[in-house]
Amino acid sequence: QKEVEQDPGPLSVPEGAIVSLNCTYSNSAFQYFMWYRQYSRKGPELLMYTYSSGNKEDGRFTAQVDKSSKYISLFIRDSQPSDSATYLCAISGGSYIPTFGRGTSLIVHP
Amino acid sequence: DAGVIQSPRHEVTEMGQEVTLRCKPISGHDYLFWYRQTMMRGLELLIYFNNNVPIDDSGMPEDRFSAKMPNASFSTLKIQPSEPRDSAVYFCASTGTNGGEKLFFGSGTQLSVL
Repeated sequence: QKEVEQDPGPLSVPEGAIVSLNCTYSNSAFQYFMWYRQYSRKGPELLMYTYSSGNKEDGRFTAQVDKSSKYISLFIRDSQPSDSATYLCAISGGSYIPTFGRGTSLIVHP
Repeated sequence: DAGVIQSPRHEVTEMGQEVTLRCKPISGHDYLFWYRQTMMRGLELLIYFNNNVPIDDSGMPEDRFSAKMPNASFSTLKIQPSEPRDSAVYFCASTGTNGGEKLFFGSGTQLSVL
């Protein structure tokens, strides 16, 4: 079992939909949780960063962490075509070395 | 700051040739990472440096791969000899001790080995 599991998709939704992206992880020592967004032919860029369980909101984006279930989610409200990208979860135990999921490809069509 | 700068953006070479990828991290960052990304395997950590010293190279696939960081503002990843299975996008990323796990990535080098 990989340390971080993420469905590669693609996930195709209409503009304005609520998007839910998810990852599961196996190591209970992980304590830092991140979401990166990667546009085509670009490097990943940090989108959300959280340390604890619970929710963290930033505009249309909400990151949710459930440590008891080892499950993290990223919700995108009112999705836009410009949100079309690959979203990678990344999880770390504090060693500065995050473990990345494979990424989920999201397509938001007008 | 210009961010992490990688060169070249694209590299097409023939099997057996030497390939050198270059990276300039963000000034002040003391961690530098080399990743490889493919559709099949996703983002794989190859090697990382702290204060110019290689800390963990367990991700380097084999002896054909080598990486150096001669100073705080420059790193290279070399493949010699290159093989078609090395074709991938190679990313460099950096972060600072105070930045924790918030990595900043370059735009990557698309490597094609024919």
